[in-house]
Amino acid sequence: AQSVTQPDIHITVSEGASLELRCNYSYGATPYLFWYVQSPGQGLQLLLKYFSGDTLVQGIKGFEAEFKRSQSSFNLRKPSVHWSDAAEYFCAVGAGLSNTGNQFYFGTGTSLTVIP
Amino acid sequence: NAGVMQNPRHLVRRRGQEARLRCSPVKGHSHVYWYRQLPEEGLKFMVYLQKENIIDESGMPKERFSAEFPKEGPSILRIQQVVRGDSAAYFCASSPKRGSSGANVLTFGAGSRLTVL
Repeated sequence: AQSVTQPDIHITVSEGASLELRCNYSYGATPYLFWYVQSPGQGLQLLLKYFSGDTLVQGIKGFEAEFKRSQSSFNLRKPSVHWSDAAEYFCAVGAGLSNTGNQFYFGTGTSLTVIP
Repeated sequence: NAGVMQNPRHLVRRRGQEARLRCSPVKGHSHVYWYRQLPEEGLKFMVYLQKENIIDESGMPKERFSAEFPKEGPSILRIQQVVRGDSAAYFCASSPKRGSSGANVLTFGAGSRLTVL
């Protein structure tokens, strides 16, 4: 069965420090992989996605993620965190659901706190 | 081009009442997904619909919850006889049909926050 694991429930980093959020997935084929960000009281916004090709993908707001098939991972990174990056981050896997459409599975999220 | 529109944004109900949450997908999107988010928890899949068809309802509670996506109009998530445990944020997301450009990406609404007193 497909699943997504985000092992870190909560992370605190200093502003300007680097960031890495972990994501591991379980899926039999090559999945579609996503990172979404949710600010308090808001919906989810797509940060970046991986479908195929270059395993290092760039997203919005200076984020990037690297797909590592051997580790079944898709970790999110940012070299220098800004206070406005404080939010909840969700990793997701998209998988085919017969011939009718896609199904999406989300991790439990990682809450990021940024301290001055 | 409006995104996914959900209403109401906030809904307060007393135990035993009915809650109806509406979702208008992105124009041209034919697939709708509903997710529930409880405090301190992640997103839990509830149901996946196409127009006039439920594709996957494996995440829906067996009782009191139903969803529809009619040929015309928004998708509706209906919760009958609400209980305090139904208090949560309910998110709708949409995508184009499979094979279309952007078909493999979900666009989310801002959510509907249900409070049951």
